[in-house]
Amino acid sequence: AQSVTQLDSHVSVSEGTPVLLRCNYSSSYSPSLFWYVQHPNKGLQLLLKYTSAATLVKGINGFEAEFKKSETSFHLTKPSAHMSDAAEYFCVVHRRNAGNMLTFGGGTRLMVKP
Amino acid sequence: DAGVIQSPRHEVTEMGQEVTLRCKPISGHNSLFWYRQTMMRGLELLIYFNNNVPIDDSGMPEDRFSAKMPNASFSTLKIQPSEPRDSAVYFCASSLLSIGRGGDTQYFGPGTRLTVL
Repeated sequence: AQSVTQLDSHVSVSEGTPVLLRCNYSSSYSPSLFWYVQHPNKGLQLLLKYTSAATLVKGINGFEAEFKKSETSFHLTKPSAHMSDAAEYFCVVHRRNAGNMLTFGGGTRLMVKP
Repeated sequence: DAGVIQSPRHEVTEMGQEVTLRCKPISGHNSLFWYRQTMMRGLELLIYFNNNVPIDDSGMPEDRFSAKMPNASFSTLKIQPSEPRDSAVYFCASSLLSIGRGGDTQYFGPGTRLTVL
């Protein structure tokens, strides 16, 4: 079975400093992994996805994530936080052999201080 | 493309009333998902359709909840009778399922915020 664990429910950074949102996954298969972002009172938007191609995946708004099989991790990073990055971020694993179903992590709320 | 469209965006109703949430997926997509988001339980998958057929409804909380997809461009989620604990944001998402290839992206609608008094 596939699952994801987001290690921090809240992360607070200062504007201009790096962002690290941690995610570990569990999967019986080579997984497909996603990061989604949800701004307040909005729907979820895809940031990036990994589907067994390059292990370093670049997404929108300067975010990237690195798939590390040995660590079963898929951490999301950004070199320099912007106020507009304040949102909730979800790490998601695609459930193979279950159609197109996704399993969501519990979410990490990113706060950006001026 | 307009993306996934949901209506209404906000719904306030009284306990015991019937509530119908609507979703129009992205044209050409063959998979549709209904999710519920609450502070306590996070994001939960309620039901999933593929080619208009319900594939997995194990997330539907109880018989008060029902979902239909009469055609490829429309789905409804109905709650009858509604209860205060049903208050949540309900999201619809759609994707194009490619058999044998994982990682198909789901595109989410803006959600319907339901409040049951």
